[in-house]
Amino acid sequence: GAVVSQHPSWVICKSGTSVKIECRSLDFQATTMFWYRQFPKQSLMLMATSNEGSKATYEQGVEKDKFLINHASLTLSTLTVTSAHPEDSSFYICSARDGQQPYNSPLHFGNGTRLTVT
Amino acid sequence: AQSVTQPDIHITVSEGASLELRCNYSYGATPYLFWYVQSPGQGLQLLLKYFSGDTLVQGIKGFEAEFKRSQSSFNLRKPSVHWSDAAEYFCAVGTPGGATNKLIFGTGTLLAVQP
Repeated sequence: GAVVSQHPSWVICKSGTSVKIECRSLDFQATTMFWYRQFPKQSLMLMATSNEGSKATYEQGVEKDKFLINHASLTLSTLTVTSAHPEDSSFYICSARDGQQPYNSPLHFGNGTRLTVT
Repeated sequence: AQSVTQPDIHITVSEGASLELRCNYSYGATPYLFWYVQSPGQGLQLLLKYFSGDTLVQGIKGFEAEFKRSQSSFNLRKPSVHWSDAAEYFCAVGTPGGATNKLIFGTGTLLAVQP
């Protein structure tokens, strides 16, 4: 089946630094990728939608200058948390839609990245 | 706007017992409905989905769910729970139309299985 690889699985960084999270579709072309954030014991909150080759669409309340998303190819999207602060600590999950499948086909999820900002 | 409600935050069942996890949605038309399972520190795995047609859908790992339009519900069931089913379960709504489908997730139900 379709596999989405998310890297790193976990990262610890110091406050004020930037962290990049990668999301790769390994065996399909992901025309659209979604980035979610999950707080402990809570649901997934959609942060942004990225389409290959165009700017990401951010959900209301998500700072686009803080959470930079780049979807430069059909197999890779990156999320960069800039000037990270402790309140950015969370579990970030990406998902991807196979461009060869109908638009309503299920999304494929990565295994998530646990970010801890100290 | 569409929304998803999972009324039960935490459920404990005995191994071998039956299971039903509740999910209610709010949407003006028939949405696309999904159930996902998440193990600790992991991503999400699709259990089953409903788009149209037969309102009782079968999924992986012995799970099934029934779409009831009159109740705006899409409850997940399993006749006999295994210890390996302990995880968090999320119901999600997808909005038909357009080239992309964004999922709106419920708050999840954490399932514990007693020996």
